[in-house]
Amino acid sequence: EAGVAQSPRYKIIEKRQSVAFWCNPISGHATLYWYQQILGQGPKLLIQFQNNGVVDDSQLPKDRFSAERLKGVDSTLKIQPAKLEDSAVYLCASSLGVDTGTDTQYFGPGTRLTVL
Amino acid sequence: AQTVTQSQPEMSVQEAETVTLSCTYDTSESDYYLFWYKQPPSRQMILVIRQEAYKQQNATENRFSVNFQKAAKSFSLKISDSQLGDAAMYFCAYRSLQSGGGADGLTFGKGTHLIIQP
Repeated sequence: EAGVAQSPRYKIIEKRQSVAFWCNPISGHATLYWYQQILGQGPKLLIQFQNNGVVDDSQLPKDRFSAERLKGVDSTLKIQPAKLEDSAVYLCASSLGVDTGTDTQYFGPGTRLTVL
Repeated sequence: AQTVTQSQPEMSVQEAETVTLSCTYDTSESDYYLFWYKQPPSRQMILVIRQEAYKQQNATENRFSVNFQKAAKSFSLKISDSQLGDAAMYFCAYRSLQSGGGADGLTFGKGTHLIIQP
């Protein structure tokens, strides 16, 4: 079974530029998450989708971050414009979305963003 | 809001020995899940073990076991017979079951870097 796929694996941009990350969850997984992991810290949830609807985006900096999951499968996370403090690893995770308690979240390899 | 605290930034253990990683959390909820995730260098985060708060019995998975103290809000991970492949960052995480609307994102601690000495 293929895991969660993310691209690109690495990205370096200048501040004030735009960047987009792509995630393809495990086949059949209805729930998709984006986390931000700053160096030395644990991941922080940015947004959760159930199929193509947003369940939780309370920690998403909406003035510069946006995310979509148009057909309930792949998802894109965008930052526009990027700031130095956005340097982090962006992790995508997915789960079946059947049972909130027992569902396991499976993580992708992440995209490491460096903002100069 | 819930918080998760891992007070040990780094731990070191001899191969084949036992090590315990600490985690405390703060919540006003009565029903939730707790997890330990492992993140090897430059590799994906994987689930090690989970614990349901309503279960008094501590979870075990082969060499990995937890000591869950609900009243103390403590959730430690014990790794027995440590192996070189256990070297990684270990994250403790909390999942609310009372957020409503299906929101079940994880709240993570800062992690503990586990070093295995050969």
